[in-house]
Amino acid sequence: KQEVTQIPAALSVPEGENLVLNCSFTDSAIYNLQWFRQDPGKGLTSLLLIQSSQREQTSGRLNASLDKSSGRSTLYIAASQPGDSATYLCAVILENQGAQKLVFGQGTRLTINP
Amino acid sequence: NAGVTQTPKFHILKIGQSMTLQCTQDMNHNYMYWYRQDPGMGLKLIYYSVGAGITDKGEVPNGYNVSRSTTEDFPLRLELAAPSQTSVYFCASSQTGGWNGYTFGSGTRLTVV
Repeated sequence: KQEVTQIPAALSVPEGENLVLNCSFTDSAIYNLQWFRQDPGKGLTSLLLIQSSQREQTSGRLNASLDKSSGRSTLYIAASQPGDSATYLCAVILENQGAQKLVFGQGTRLTINP
Repeated sequence: NAGVTQTPKFHILKIGQSMTLQCTQDMNHNYMYWYRQDPGMGLKLIYYSVGAGITDKGEVPNGYNVSRSTTEDFPLRLELAAPSQTSVYFCASSQTGGWNGYTFGSGTRLTVV
């Protein structure tokens, strides 16, 4: 059974710092991996999608990497801002009988202090 | 383009009552999913559908039912609500079953008392 773990569970850093969020998964046979952002009481916003054949994706100050062989992904946030405060969820996509399904980690709750 | 729309946003249900959570998408996606999120936890898959008329169970289907009569709609039915079903429910859709990622609705916060 695929399990996804995110470390740390919570992180608090001062504004302007660069930071890394970690995601690990137990089965490397994934279809792709997606990082989401969730604001309190809100839905999920897709940040980056890394397909299984790719090693990284970038969007603005965000960079996500994927190492399937070691079962790891990282989300790098450069020059953090208070507006980056949210919960970040990592999800791997498994192929199952023609319907890919997401398996989520528990998330990292990020607080950026002004 | 509205994306994935869920109604209601909030609801309080009494134990033993039933209700339907609505989910509609206007992107002509074949794949649709229902997840639940408990406090401090990741999302768990309840049911999914690969197209109109086709549904299947996910990880935590007990106490729920779904139907998919059209491409656009994927309602989730709670029968005989229990306190353990207090959660936030998210509907999601995908065009290619995940290759291009997923789009999520804003969620329904359900409390069973």
